[in-house]
Amino acid sequence: DAKTTQPPSMDCAEGRAANLPCNHSTISGNEYVYWYRQIHSQGPQYIIHGLKNNETNEMASLIITEDRKSSTLILPHATLRDTAVYYCIVTQGTIQGAQKLVFGQGTRLTINP
Amino acid sequence: EADIYQTPRYLVIGTGKKITLECSQTMGHDKMYWYQQDPGMELHLIHYSYGVNSTEKGDLSSESTVSRIRTEHFPLTLESARPSHTSQYLCASSEYPGTGRISGELFFGEGSRLTVL
Repeated sequence: DAKTTQPPSMDCAEGRAANLPCNHSTISGNEYVYWYRQIHSQGPQYIIHGLKNNETNEMASLIITEDRKSSTLILPHATLRDTAVYYCIVTQGTIQGAQKLVFGQGTRLTINP
Repeated sequence: EADIYQTPRYLVIGTGKKITLECSQTMGHDKMYWYQQDPGMELHLIHYSYGVNSTEKGDLSSESTVSRIRTEHFPLTLESARPSHTSQYLCASSEYPGTGRISGELFFGEGSRLTVL
């Protein structure tokens, strides 16, 4: 699986959009970009994933560059409850359907009042 | 809300004790996983299972063992706990997405925080 690079920490004001970058310059054509977050040592929570098109769900938007070497997770209106460690993971996904995700250090996002 | 449960949430035991961390999911997922995470550190996959009677070692070597006798249950056992086993253990599950499709999300439990004195 391709390696990802994320800033170790970021701050964002409450109510503003939080934009979390991720570099994955060695991504291959069949690898997906996944985002998870972990709030205060709870179990990680899935946010979104994509291959090459931009994706949006009720939690966030995922913007993947055309060359797929980087992506940005956007939380459109950050709240204090969005304070967490955010993980960008690149993976081919499955061997017989087993999703063996490799979590890195992630970005510690702090939402300030 | 994910229906995956771990017990106990917190456990403090002495060295040499045998412990079993329980993980159960009610979603009928065939794939289950155990991750280990030290405070402030990365998660590491230590065990996973494709389904009943299937267990595999993860990326991080662990002295723990797992079993998968029932679809919904994936317990982790340490035969003789040591202080080096002090960590948080996170269980997760996912469903088979179907031939040619990518797996979707992993559902994680709240974790079991183990302290060995």
